Amino acid sequence: DQQVKQNSPSLSVQEGRISILNCDYTNSMFDYFLWYKKYPAEGPTFLISISSIKDKNEDGRFTVFLNKSAKHLSLHIVPSQPGDSAVYFCAASAFSSAGNMLTFGGGTRLMVKP
Amino acid sequence: DTGVSQDPRHKITKRGQNVTFRCDPISEHNRLYWYRQTLGQGPEFLTYFQNEAQLEKSRLLSDRFSAERPKGSFSTLEIQRTEQGDSAMYLCASSFQGGTEAFFGQGTRLTVV
Repeated sequence: DQQVKQNSPSLSVQEGRISILNCDYTNSMFDYFLWYKKYPAEGPTFLISISSIKDKNEDGRFTVFLNKSAKHLSLHIVPSQPGDSAVYFCAASAFSSAGNMLTFGGGTRLMVKP
Repeated sequence: DTGVSQDPRHKITKRGQNVTFRCDPISEHNRLYWYRQTLGQGPEFLTYFQNEAQLEKSRLLSDRFSAERPKGSFSTLEIQRTEQGDSAMYLCASSFQGGTEAFFGQGTRLTVV
């Protein structure tokens, strides 16, 4: 049972345009959501997060939107830059539970073309 | 602090051999996690420690796998009698208790031949 899904394995955008990466989840106990960025041969790097009590969190070029009723979140990158090319993972946790383990989606490979 | 450190970065081993990986977390973090990532998939939770106590293990962690964190600092993950299906990237992460973000190391890529 895949509790966190990223249905687009890849996305290609032009430099300067907006990149929108999507993520769906099924577990209603999830109350904290994170996006990680991963370059080849490196570990995931934390990018941005959002608590379930919010519907939007912004950090520079990165904005995460959360729609709890739809169990859907998205990451917006604007403007996109070639250095943003990487695999992006959506992750969720039930922060209120012990351990705060992360459940990851399968990732979306973003390619930003110059 | 240089972040979460994992050693080795790469390991090639023959099927049936035992391997051990090490993780040094960020020094102030009392939680340490192990994840496994196979090609084309996201990381999957294996186990976590709070200080030296191993508090949860995934069903992915078969009895050939054992993890320790003897003094609540570094951790080791051992795989006994490796199988080809164990080939993956093994990721370590650490966080504060109650912290919202986990910080990952660069991983150990295991190839079982």
